[in-house]
Amino acid sequence: QQKVQQSPESLIVPEGAMTSLNCTFSDSASQYFAWYRQHSGKAPKALMSIFSNGEKEEGRFTIHLNKASLHFSLHIRDSQPSDSALYLCAVSAGGYKVVFGSGTRLLVSP
Amino acid sequence: EAAVTQSPRNKVAVTGGKVTLSCNQTNNHNNMYWYRQDTGHGLRLIHYSYGAGSTEKGDIPDGYKASRPSQENFSLILELATPSQTSVYFCASGKTGTGHAEQFFGPGTRLTVL
Repeated sequence: QQKVQQSPESLIVPEGAMTSLNCTFSDSASQYFAWYRQHSGKAPKALMSIFSNGEKEEGRFTIHLNKASLHFSLHIRDSQPSDSALYLCAVSAGGYKVVFGSGTRLLVSP
Repeated sequence: EAAVTQSPRNKVAVTGGKVTLSCNQTNNHNNMYWYRQDTGHGLRLIHYSYGAGSTEKGDIPDGYKASRPSQENFSLILELATPSQTSVYFCASGKTGTGHAEQFFGPGTRLTVL
């Protein structure tokens, strides 16, 4: 059964800093890797996804995927207070199921 | 415009009572999911469905039943609610097939079982 773990559990960074969030998974056949963001009291919403090894950048957000290491990460450049949220990584090996990590709670202090 | 809606948004139930949580989606997605979210556990899959008439057990199905009467509707049923089922429940919809794993979530239902 797929195991997905995130680190750190929580993080406080100053406004303008680079934020790095990590996710490890156990199934080497996984094909879909994503980050979801959940603001307090709201629904999770997909932020970015990647399917093949390497890097993908969208604005201030970058995903790195290394399938051989069973690891992917999210980097937020120039972190803003509005980025404060719970970040969930998600992994799927195909089919219907997506397994979510337990989350990293990010606080960006002004 | 909201593509996934849930009702009720808040519910207080008594131990041993029956609770039904409803979900409706207008995304025309085949797959629908029920999760619960508790601090420290992220999103845990309770039941899912890959089309009208189908329901499948997720990772934590004990104490829950599900019903998918149509493409648009997916319900979660707690026949005998217990305090351990106090949680926030999210419904989601998604497409089928490799590369289509993104899920779209409803606003959640906060359930308190006294």
